[in-house]
Amino acid sequence: QQQVKQSPQSLIVQKGGISIINCAYENTAFDYFPWYQQFPGKGPALLIAIRPDVSEKKEGRFTISFNKSAKQFSLHIMDSQPGDSATYFCAASIGTGANNLFFGTGTRLTVIP
Amino acid sequence: GAVVSQHPSWVICKSGTSVKIECRSLDFQATTMFWYRQFPKQSLMLMATSNEGSKATYEQGVEKDKFLINHASLTLSTLTVTSAHPEDSSFYICSAPLAGIGADTQYFGPGTRLTVL
Repeated sequence: QQQVKQSPQSLIVQKGGISIINCAYENTAFDYFPWYQQFPGKGPALLIAIRPDVSEKKEGRFTISFNKSAKQFSLHIMDSQPGDSATYFCAASIGTGANNLFFGTGTRLTVIP
Repeated sequence: GAVVSQHPSWVICKSGTSVKIECRSLDFQATTMFWYRQFPKQSLMLMATSNEGSKATYEQGVEKDKFLINHASLTLSTLTVTSAHPEDSSFYICSAPLAGIGADTQYFGPGTRLTVL
């Protein structure tokens, strides 16, 4: 059973555009929501994370929007660049990010010049 | 940030042999490490939680006798794939959590690509 659902499966965006990836969860015990970026043949790297006490968190060009009532959260990549082309995973855990992470299915982002 | 290494980065072995993969936290101690498996173009699936000084905890459907985990020290966990078969070919990734005030995230290793012929 997929505890975190992610969409779209793939995304193509033009350079300079906004990339938006959405995730939804069912388990209301989740209280830590990170996003990871993975390049081919590499392990995932933490991009940005949020807790349910805030509705938005921004770090540089990356923003997480969080809707607790809808149990949804999304990643927005502003001014997308070809170097952002990678697979993005949302995840969720209970308590802290040091606990078991439940990953979404991943979104393969391609930014075209 | 914290660094987690894995060795080897890739390995090819014959069917029926065993392969050991090491996961090390280089600049911090980790009493817990996680082992994931990732098939091409798919998500990471948690296989087991490695605990220093005690037995590993396996996820449902993961054969503990096939995937042996040893957490020998606070910086090293090993995954041994015993009697490997072609269906075990996959990308194996470990992670180590760094927990504490202001720091509660997992750091992932670069992964190990296993190909069983």
